[in-house]
Amino acid sequence: KAGVTQTPRYLIKTRGQQVTLSCSPISGHRSVSWYQQTPGQGLQFLFEYFSETQRNKGNFPGRFSGRQFSNSRSEMNVSTLELGDSALYLCASSPRLAGGSETQYFGPGTRLLVL
Amino acid sequence: EDKVVQSPLSLVVHEGDTVTLNCSYEVTNFRSLLWYKQEKKAPTFLFMLTSSGIEKKSGRLSSILDKKELFSILNITATQTGDSAVYLCAVEAPNYGGSQGNLIFGKGTKLSVKP
Repeated sequence: KAGVTQTPRYLIKTRGQQVTLSCSPISGHRSVSWYQQTPGQGLQFLFEYFSETQRNKGNFPGRFSGRQFSNSRSEMNVSTLELGDSALYLCASSPRLAGGSETQYFGPGTRLLVL
Repeated sequence: EDKVVQSPLSLVVHEGDTVTLNCSYEVTNFRSLLWYKQEKKAPTFLFMLTSSGIEKKSGRLSSILDKKELFSILNITATQTGDSAVYLCAVEAPNYGGSQGNLIFGKGTKLSVKP
């Protein structure tokens, strides 16, 4: 099975711009979660999508949003970029078959640099 | 506030040494604890622990969870230079019943194994 894929892998933007990142989960996986990783804060949960619905949200401002399509692919959008948004954005997928614990598999990430 | 604390933050050892990495947590509604290894790319899954006292083992790596004392350890025996990485501990703590995706990560332990 192909792993989680994320595009683009690298991105440079300027302050005030917006950006859209894409994530394709492992085939058959219905849950997609997004994380932000920075040297100072480590890995922080952004949100989770399942069946095109946001099921869970971390503590990030409204400038961070996302959506999920019927094929489980997900996009994440950041508007009005700030310097502090420079980070590695990771997407993870899991089958979400039942209410129990399931491993999340991470994609390679999108490294965003805001100038 | 939910938190996951890893120690030490960094560790330098020589090949052949045995290391123990620590992870303690304070979360409400604990579901599982996961260990990941992160080199220069996405975190890769190592172990998921849900029950106390049951050791999970994979080659030279092993891990155990203590739900009473709220901690886990990751052991690596006979370390090799390829074990050099950041080891991340994460606790799954859903915001509400049935949801999954909210992983709370520690800051990681950076392990360097010298030849």
